Amino acid sequence: DAGITQSPRHKVTETGTPVTLRCHQTENHRYMYWYRQDPGHGLRLIHYSYGVKDTDKGEVSDGYSVSRSKTEDFLLTLESATSSQTSVYFCAISDRGSAKNIQYFGAGTRLSVL
Amino acid sequence: AQSVTQLDSQVPVFEEAPVELRCNYSSSVSVYLFWYVQYPNQGLQLLLKYLSGSTLVKGINGFEAEFNKSQTSFHLRKPSVHISDTAEYFCAVSDAGGYNKLIFGAGTRLAVHP
Repeated sequence: DAGITQSPRHKVTETGTPVTLRCHQTENHRYMYWYRQDPGHGLRLIHYSYGVKDTDKGEVSDGYSVSRSKTEDFLLTLESATSSQTSVYFCAISDRGSAKNIQYFGAGTRLSVL
Repeated sequence: AQSVTQLDSQVPVFEEAPVELRCNYSSSVSVYLFWYVQYPNQGLQLLLKYLSGSTLVKGINGFEAEFNKSQTSFHLRKPSVHISDTAEYFCAVSDAGGYNKLIFGAGTRLAVHP
């Protein structure tokens, strides 16, 4: 998975608890993304980062926050998890230049909110 | 705003038959186009991409796609499928001048039968 590690791979939590998902890359790529995958919706962008401490919202950002204090790490936090946030979460990375705008994906984190 | 429509949610096909997975997009700006494949319980893998140049793009595993600007389509084809091609396929578009953010279609599940 192109030097991308997502942790944890599986998590079960209760409604109202905070949850943090981690994405770690070893490719030194500038851009990092968080998507969620739900049946019938494909993947939808939650947040993205275009550099250390530089982040912005995607199309489904409500209820989520992110942080990027180092090039290699991008954290996704659910401040107070809800059942509607049960999903599979994918991290992706990309860069410009020779990488030609291609995104590479991690293996995903399956989150269940009970 | 950009959007992607994958016209078939499921495509059943027999082994060694040809297949076409259809994708239409809408955008007011220049775009890059991608097809990704997802095998069960895995992340997404890039099949092929259109960035510029020749409208016929060849990818991995014998797949190809044709960019048709007038019809805003990017259909994926394979002349002879194998059982191992059974997977979910996602068409995606990104803004050629942006942060490589991807907009995905809802996906097409290809089921290859013996």
